[in-house]
Amino acid sequence: GQSLEQPSEVTAVEGAIVQINCTYQTSGFYGLSWYQQHDGGAPTFLSYNALDGLEETGRFSSFLSRSDSYGYLLLQELQMKDSASYFCAVRDNTDKLIFGTGTRLQVFP
Amino acid sequence: DTEVTQTPKHLVMGMTNKKSLKCEQHMGHRAMYWYKQKAKKPPELMFVYSYEKLSINESVPSRFSPECPNSSLLNLHLHALQPEDSALYLCASSHTGGSSGANVLTFGAGSRLTVL
Repeated sequence: GQSLEQPSEVTAVEGAIVQINCTYQTSGFYGLSWYQQHDGGAPTFLSYNALDGLEETGRFSSFLSRSDSYGYLLLQELQMKDSASYFCAVRDNTDKLIFGTGTRLQVFP
Repeated sequence: DTEVTQTPKHLVMGMTNKKSLKCEQHMGHRAMYWYKQKAKKPPELMFVYSYEKLSINESVPSRFSPECPNSSLLNLHLHALQPEDSALYLCASSHTGGSSGANVLTFGAGSRLTVL
């Protein structure tokens, strides 16, 4: 079967750095994406990796290692508004975007 | 216009009712999706339309019937639902597969469905 595993919850304080990991096992691989979802809101796209390495977008960075079937989202200079759920997602060889189990990030003052 | 608009925002229906969820986008995306999301769970793919044709149906019960009247509109017709179908139904759109843009989904705000 297909699976994308993430830690269920991560906590941190404002200004800190946090890393959310994602390990995947899918039928084919056409990129790893990250989405943020605030309570009651819709998922919004954050970042995408097609190739190995680090992609940086402002305070957020995303990393991919295809040989390890592993990626992570790095959030720097955490702010209260970063408290949300974060999902990794993989596009498989049937063109489906499969979402990970999700990580709830709580940022404390 | 970089939005996906879903209506209604909230819907309460009985198990014998027939209702529809509607979704609209004007970003020129040719792939549109329905996802179902339960509380504290990831979105689960239901249907994918590519160039107005149903390309993926994730073995969804027939009480859910999708329709794509044109490249901007996507409907989900609901009939004889069960209480366990209560969830947030998310519509999304993207560029079509084979491009990096296909990994970037733009989601609507969702329709929260309660089945009594």
